[in-house]
Order: sequence, then structure tokens, then C-alpha cells
Amino acid sequence: QVQLVESGGGVVQPGRSLRLSCAASGFTFSTYGMHWVRQAPGKGLEWVAVISYDGSDKYYADSVKGRFTISRDNSKNTLYLQMNSLRAEDTAVYYCAKFIAGSGYMHWGQGTLVTVSS
Amino acid sequence: DIQMTQSPSSLSASVGERVTITCRASQSISSFLNWYQQKPGKAPDLLIYAATSLQSGVPSRFSGSGSGTAFILTISSLKPEDFATYYCQQTYSIPLTFGGGTKVEIK
Repeated sequence: QVQLVESGGGVVQPGRSLRLSCAASGFTFSTYGMHWVRQAPGKGLEWVAVISYDGSDKYYADSVKGRFTISRDNSKNTLYLQMNSLRAEDTAVYYCAKFIAGSGYMHWGQGTLVTVSS
Repeated sequence: DIQMTQSPSSLSASVGERVTITCRASQSISSFLNWYQQKPGKAPDLLIYAATSLQSGVPSRFSGSGSGTAFILTISSLKPEDFATYYCQQTYSIPLTFGGGTKVEIK
């Protein structure tokens, strides 16, 4: 069955960096676009970034553009989110999600909590 | 960017009641609209995709309708396990955007 397992979250000071990982299994990772979605405590869902199946195309929310970088390693079935210059407002649970065109996010990870605080 | 507006933001309902949640897009998104259910501490689950298609395994009491800019999620007869927060999402264009959510609580 499809599994997405995020890791790398934690407490980090403002201005520092963190890299999240999402290990995928149970499907052919290299054939799907993958997304990051976040949810601040007590708030709604916010789309963060997308990467195409082969890594050639990447798009970001304005709120993270220039600070976050999405990438993938298809040989390791792993998705990444490099987060630099972190701000308090980046505090959230970060989910990776498998996207199927025309069908949305059929599979999500369990989420990893990032807390940006001094 | 396409703005998604959900209403109401919360509602109280009893088991067995019919519930409707509305989602409006700031411009036409055809049928590129999905609905998710989220329970506390859990990742969202896909309920409806392409505005009207029921995701496999989702009970038939859930249904979706609409196209263009106006969409509705209907729960025909609320069950205890349906108390959760519901989100709409447009996948017509990047940035993909979600509605603000509708929390369905027990009356």
C-alpha cells in the first residue's frame, strides 16, 4: 500500500534552516508529481510547493518563494523540502502528498511539525 | 491567485441531519474542485474529486455538486464519525488553494 513518511521536523530558531524528507513506498514514485502542504496550529491547509515527476518543474507559494526549495531523488524514492530563513509564521505541520491529476491528493503522509521559535 | 471561500465556517448539526457546505471560487475553475475531511491530529482524507466523483471507499452519504464557481458538499444523513473539518481545494491553477474550512460539530 502507499506510504508517505515525513521526517526532519523540530524546533529551530528564526533565520535558521531545516530540511524535511518524505520517504515514499508502495507506488512508482518516479511517475508522480509530489506536493508539500502545511497547516499552522489551529489553522487551515496551505499549499506550499509542487515538483513534477522528474524534478524538471517546480512551483512555490508566494509565502515561501525564494526561501524554500523542493527537490526529489527518484533513486531513493524520497521528496525533500529545504527551508531557509525560517520565520515564526512558518510554524506548521508539513505534509507531503501524492498528487493525481484530476483527482487531487489521494495519499498524504502523517505530517512533521516544524516550530520556529527563539 | 484563485480564492476559495467556504461557508459556513462552522455548523452544529445532529446525527441524521442533512448537511450542506458551500465553496465558491473567485473565478471559474470548471470542475477542478476536491473536498477533503480532516479529523483532529490526522492528515486530510480525500472525499470527492473533480467536483462530483466519490473517492473509492467513501460512504455514499457524501456527494458533491457544482461547476464553474459554485460547489456544494452534501452529507445526506450525518453519522457520528462525520464530525470533522471539511476543506475544498481547487486544482485548476497554481497556486493550488484551499477554502478556509468548515468545522462540523455535534449539536
